[in-house]
Amino acid sequence: DAMVIQNPRYQVTQFGKPVTLSCSQTLNHNVMYWYQQKSSQAPKLLFHYYDKDFNNEADTPDNFQSRRPNTSFCFLDIRSPGLGDAAMYLCATSRDSGGMDTQYFGPGTRLTVL
Amino acid sequence: AQSVTQLGSHVSVSEGALVLLRCNYSSSVPPYLFWYVQYPNQGLQLLLKYTSAATLVKGINGFEAEFKKSETSFHLTKPSAHMSDAAEYFCAVSASGNQFYFGTGTSLTVIP
Repeated sequence: DAMVIQNPRYQVTQFGKPVTLSCSQTLNHNVMYWYQQKSSQAPKLLFHYYDKDFNNEADTPDNFQSRRPNTSFCFLDIRSPGLGDAAMYLCATSRDSGGMDTQYFGPGTRLTVL
Repeated sequence: AQSVTQLGSHVSVSEGALVLLRCNYSSSVPPYLFWYVQYPNQGLQLLLKYTSAATLVKGINGFEAEFKKSETSFHLTKPSAHMSDAAEYFCAVSASGNQFYFGTGTSLTVIP
């Protein structure tokens, strides 16, 4: 089945130690998104790629970076995780950016910062 | 600008009872509306979406939602709750472009 895959499902890191989360998709979608979701809150969009074009949300901290080396993969890099960055990180994809396009979500990576 | 408001952060229903989860939207342009379900420690799964075709939209797992422009609402319903429906439900609105605006979610508890 075509799908969105996130690895690892659970990630533990230390305060200030860089961490990378991975997302891959077999849907061949043009758009890939990264969301941060804290407990009992709505997902918050960090940034997205339309193909190779990177779009950062205005309030996304500089501590968060992303890479999309090819259509299938997208990475979220947290350069110096703080305790406040502990959250579920969701990757999503959509075929296009027309507003009506469904976003398909991966299972998420739960990040713990010690 | 687009936004959604989900009334009721927690809803409890008895098994077999009607499920009604409320969503009101604000949009300066004709909106596209979505309902997603999230089970614990899982990603979001699409239940249904409205894209300006029929105002009554049927989704998976017996859920449906009706788009009411006059009320700016897109409430989610299911005639008979099942234990497996217990989850977090998110309403989202989008217009042109990639941005989804999610509501703060409604946690559904089903009482046996």
